[in-house]
Amino acid sequence: DAKTTQPPSMDCAEGRAANLPCNHSTISGNEYVYWYRQIHSQGPQYIIHGLKNNETNEMASLIITEDRKSSTLILPHATLRDTAVYYCIRAGNEKLTFGTGTRLTIIP
Amino acid sequence: EAQVTQNPRYLITVTGKKLTVTCSQNMNHEYMSWYRQDPGLGLRQIYYSMNVEVTDKGDVPEGYKVSRKEKRNFPLILESPSPNQTSLYFCASSPYLRGLQETQYFGPGTRLLVL
Repeated sequence: DAKTTQPPSMDCAEGRAANLPCNHSTISGNEYVYWYRQIHSQGPQYIIHGLKNNETNEMASLIITEDRKSSTLILPHATLRDTAVYYCIRAGNEKLTFGTGTRLTIIP
Repeated sequence: EAQVTQNPRYLITVTGKKLTVTCSQNMNHEYMSWYRQDPGLGLRQIYYSMNVEVTDKGDVPEGYKVSRKEKRNFPLILESPSPNQTSLYFCASSPYLRGLQETQYFGPGTRLLVL
């Protein structure tokens, strides 16, 4: 069953870079890699997405391996407000497939 | 303000009593979708719609119906709710360009308890 795989939880010290890995070994050529996060039980919030190249925006950076089988979300200077569940998602032309996400805890 | 709204936000009902959760977006998005979220299972897609009058099953469609008569609205219907449909439900919308989904915007969620 094609899906994404993420570690269930991670800790990161406040002010340090948080690196969240994701495996998506069966991703199709036209599927983007999206990252969302969910704080408590609020609606998920978009962070960043990419297809082949690395991407950066005001929130994060996304590193996608050349074979596209894995990616890493980087929060360069984590703050306490970054504590959330982070989802790596393959998004193609129809369905959106969420994994169970990584619970990231930022430690003061 | 661009947003996705859901109503009601909280609902307690009894087994077998039909209910509808409404979802509306004001961004003229083509794609709309419903998810349920349960502990340990993440978000699972129930149904999605790529445009008016076009709907399709997601990963967990059993026990649910949807309709897309207007672009802005995508109600979720539970004809005969059962306790295993107790969950947190999210509606989302996104543009659908060049045959691909774009960034999804999520609603605030509807917490449903079926007794």
